[in-house]
Amino acid sequence: RKEVEQDPGPFNVPEGATVAFNCTYSNSASQSFFWYRQDCRKEPKLLMSVYSSGNEDGRFTAQLNRASQYISLLIRDSKLSDSATYLCVVIDYNQGGKLIFGQGTELSVKP
Amino acid sequence: EAQVTQNPRYLITVTGKKLTVTCSQNMNHEYMSWYRQDPGLGLRQIYYSMNVEVTDKGDVPEGYKVSRKEKRNFPLILESPSPNQTSLYFCASSPNLYEQYFGPGTRLTVT
Repeated sequence: RKEVEQDPGPFNVPEGATVAFNCTYSNSASQSFFWYRQDCRKEPKLLMSVYSSGNEDGRFTAQLNRASQYISLLIRDSKLSDSATYLCVVIDYNQGGKLIFGQGTELSVKP
Repeated sequence: EAQVTQNPRYLITVTGKKLTVTCSQNMNHEYMSWYRQDPGLGLRQIYYSMNVEVTDKGDVPEGYKVSRKEKRNFPLILESPSPNQTSLYFCASSPNLYEQYFGPGTRLTVT
């Protein structure tokens, strides 16, 4: 089993739709969680951190469920510019702060 | 402008011909790392460095070498490239592990 798993998609949604991605992680000792965005084989960029209490940044909401070992990303009112691959990242400090990336979920927002 | 630079951006080479991919950052970050990205496998860490003269293996270090003689530079060396090292490579730097700043990527093809 992969340490971090994501549904690769693609998720094809119309503009204005709400879409949610989940990411599961296998190591319960994992301690920090993030979502990165990667456009068309360009470099990944940090989208947002994921806090235990959940956090929101405009149209984006990230949540963490430690009991079930998953994190989620919700995008409301999707824009064409949201089309990208979204990478889930987990940091395990018990492994020296190792960053573990999911394979990414591809989102395509259509007009 | 704060950035991570990689060179070359594209490289086609033949099996066994030693090559170096350079990585440089101007943000005075202590932490630097190298990743490779392959379809269906996501980003996998090759090597990382917590500071000058401190390097350690990531998940897939076989066939690669690194050095960290200066804080700003972290070159990736392939002593004898093989076709299975054909991939998209990213260098990243970080002040604290939380936010990774990625370079633009190097697309390597080994024939």
